[in-house]
Amino acid sequence: DAGVTQSPTHLIKTRGQQVTLRCSPKSGHDTVSWYQQALGQGPQFIFQYYEEEERQRGNFPDRFSGHQFPNYSSELNVNALLLGDSALYLCASSLQGPYEQYFGPGTRLTVT
Amino acid sequence: AQSVTQLGSHVSVSEGALVLLRCNYSSSVPPYLFWYVQYPNQGLQLLLKYTSAATLVKGINGFEAEFKKSETSFHLTKPSAHMSDAAEYFCAVTLTGTASKLTFGTGTRLQVTL
Repeated sequence: DAGVTQSPTHLIKTRGQQVTLRCSPKSGHDTVSWYQQALGQGPQFIFQYYEEEERQRGNFPDRFSGHQFPNYSSELNVNALLLGDSALYLCASSLQGPYEQYFGPGTRLTVT
Repeated sequence: AQSVTQLGSHVSVSEGALVLLRCNYSSSVPPYLFWYVQYPNQGLQLLLKYTSAATLVKGINGFEAEFKKSETSFHLTKPSAHMSDAAEYFCAVTLTGTASKLTFGTGTRLQVTL
């Protein structure tokens, strides 16, 4: 049983560019959440998708957007990249509700 | 709103010694609580979870945690540390009856020495 997968593993972008990160949830899961983990910090909730809609959103600007596809996979898009967007982006999948989330290995984004 | 506070950003123990990592939570409604472990350059792995059943929760790799409502705490313990336990540990909270947004603490880095 494949767990949560994310692509790419590493990415280097320049300020002002746009980036798309991808996530495939664990088999049987219908909810995908995205987190940003800055160096030396705990993960911060960006948003959550369920039934192809954004259900909850953390304190992140509109530059951060997402999408969920009918097969439950998801994308995170970040526009107009800033140096401060450099972080590990983690995707987590779960069933809808207050259940444990299973995390992928993350995508390390570096903005130069 | 919910939050967690992890006391001690770095904890160092000798191999074979007791591991105690502290977590206190704040929640307006009964919480669900989790401990995750993160090894270098990896994602987070669930160690254990509290979901309002037994207050003493046993997890993987010999870890356990006790939910104490009166102290608003959910400390993580392991009787005997192993070198392989060296990692970053995160406490997280979510609210019952809601979608599963997790709020994490700032993490505790556990060092295990010989």
